[in-house]
Amino acid sequence: DQQVKQNSPSLSVQEGRISILNCDYTNSMFDYFLWYKKYPAEGPTFLISISSIKDKNEDGRFTVFLNKSAKHLSLHIVPSQPGDSAVYFCAAPGDSGGGADGLTFGKGTHLIIQP
Amino acid sequence: NAGVTQTPKFQVLKTGQSMTLQCAQDMNHEYMSWYRQDPGMGLRLIHYSVGAGITDQGEVPNGYNVSRSTTEDFPLRLLSAAPSQTSVYFCASRASGTLTGELFFGEGSRLTVL
Repeated sequence: DQQVKQNSPSLSVQEGRISILNCDYTNSMFDYFLWYKKYPAEGPTFLISISSIKDKNEDGRFTVFLNKSAKHLSLHIVPSQPGDSAVYFCAAPGDSGGGADGLTFGKGTHLIIQP
Repeated sequence: NAGVTQTPKFQVLKTGQSMTLQCAQDMNHEYMSWYRQDPGMGLRLIHYSVGAGITDQGEVPNGYNVSRSTTEDFPLRLLSAAPSQTSVYFCASRASGTLTGELFFGEGSRLTVL
């Protein structure tokens, strides 16, 4: 059962516009969420996080919103730039299978910024 | 800073062969882990370690062994490779003490099993 879901495998956005990437979760015990960015042939890198005691966290062009009642979070990138083209993973720390201590990742969303 | 270093970056194996993926970190992180990334599957945890001498299983541990004899190194062993183990493998580490600490990933090792 997938605990972190990213239902959009890909998203195409025009340069300069807002990119909105969505993530849903099922485990109400998750209390912290992270977004990772991954370029081809590189490892994922940490982008931004949010604690469940907040509903918004902002870092430059990146803002993450958390709606706990809906078990939904979103990453907003504004304005979108060509260098933002990458795969974005939503993740939560907690049970990564059988009680394992690790991050549970969504399947990722491939963001493509069109010039 | 080297961060998390993985070797080799690419490897082709035949079914039944064994090999070890190496992972080393220079950040004095207690926690280290291995993930695999498959198309449409995201990243899945294979094994992890919370310190030297301590290892545990993740979501998809079958077919893999790990050991942690030093803080710096966390090798992943495939004893008898199978085509289902064709994947990109990522080693990651974080500082101890909190689940919320961000993971630092290596650049990945792409493994093909024929």
